[in-house]
Amino acid sequence: DGGITQSPKYLFRKEGQNVTLSCEQNLNHDAMYWYRQDPGQGLRLIYYSQIVNDFQKGDIAEGYSVSREKKESFPLTVTSAQKNPTAFYLCASSKDTRNEQFFGPGTRLTVL
Amino acid sequence: AQRVTQPEKLLSVFKGAPVELKCNYSYSGSPELFWYVQYSRQRLQLLLRHISRESIKGFTADLNKGETSFHLKKPFAQEEDSAMYYCALIETSGSRLTFGEGTQLTVNP
Repeated sequence: DGGITQSPKYLFRKEGQNVTLSCEQNLNHDAMYWYRQDPGQGLRLIYYSQIVNDFQKGDIAEGYSVSREKKESFPLTVTSAQKNPTAFYLCASSKDTRNEQFFGPGTRLTVL
Repeated sequence: AQRVTQPEKLLSVFKGAPVELKCNYSYSGSPELFWYVQYSRQRLQLLLRHISRESIKGFTADLNKGETSFHLKKPFAQEEDSAMYYCALIETSGSRLTFGEGTQLTVNP
């Protein structure tokens, strides 16, 4: 394992609060991704970044925001506008967008 | 838009039996296809990709463009194969993967 880390492992948030999930990689990968994993729905892409200082919306970007100020870091903010934020969030990185993606251990977010 | 379908959410077989996890896709061009696997308490990881034509852990997958399928097969399932399997696709000129819904495989002793 190693190489790509996510923190925290578990996160609890009250309704109406924004929360930021951390994703760091030391693999020197250009591309990074955020997915949401829900039972029976597979992995759905929230945002991705092909290179530092650039990112694109995925399929379910509403209520989320990201930044890519450093190559190693791609934090995800779950805003209060996200209607159903309780989920398991996975971060991944790859050398470029056509290569194998390496996944982090995930963060389980629960909104109370 | 491309789409990946895994028709079976759950699949259960006995140890030593053949197993086939189905994956169908819709895309008009020439896609690149992958199988990712997530074992219990482990990270999601790449199992195989069609361009490498490798057999990984006894699994193989053949791209059938006529049937737009990329089924994952293993002739003799083992208990350690129990996991969640995801099929994924990237377009020829694409920049992102599209995942299927996943199939939870259970291999019973």
